[in-house]
Amino acid sequence: GAVVSQHPSRVICKSGTSVKIECRSLDFQATTMFWYRQFPKQSLMLMATSNEGSKATYEQGVEKDKFLINHASLTLSTLTVTSAHPEDSSFYICSARGGVRSPLHFGNGTRLTVT
Amino acid sequence: AQTVTQSQPEMSVQEAETVTLSCTYDTSESDYYLFWYKQPPSRQMILVIRQEAYKQQNATENRFSVNFQKAAKSFSLKISDSQLGDAAMYFCAYNPAGTASKLTFGTGTRLQVTL
Repeated sequence: GAVVSQHPSRVICKSGTSVKIECRSLDFQATTMFWYRQFPKQSLMLMATSNEGSKATYEQGVEKDKFLINHASLTLSTLTVTSAHPEDSSFYICSARGGVRSPLHFGNGTRLTVT
Repeated sequence: AQTVTQSQPEMSVQEAETVTLSCTYDTSESDYYLFWYKQPPSRQMILVIRQEAYKQQNATENRFSVNFQKAAKSFSLKISDSQLGDAAMYFCAYNPAGTASKLTFGTGTRLQVTL
């Protein structure tokens, strides 16, 4: 079945550095991908909608200059956490689907730890 | 704004018994989708069951079924013959039709399955 691959699964970085997370749809094309953030023992919060070939749509309260999203192809979206700080430490999950009636598939998530 | 409420932070069920997880939502839309997702310790989001609001018949998937009450805006999940592998966080989610899978999640219910 359709699979969404997310890489890396875990990353530790120092405060002030940038980290890039990749989300790939492996066997379908995804014009739209979604990025979520999940704090421990909490729900998933939508950060932004990534649109292939155009700018991402960010949810209220999400800093677009902090969380850069690029959707350069129909199978790849990237989330870059710029100038990371310890409060950015969280679990980030992407999702994608192949068509309007297709189910949404989630990546396995990325645990980001900023020291 | 749409909201999804799960009033049970934790539930426990004995193996082979039945358990019902509650979910209510608030929306002014008439056409939408509702989902239950399972998140085991691996953090992978797994679709359990999906309901289309225009369908009166409750969705079922093997041991999983829902009680969809559109007027009451209620969408509970029933797990029959519970198994140890059912232990996980369960999230109820809402998606207005035509918004490309922009899911709003509830706060989740942690399900424990005991012997």
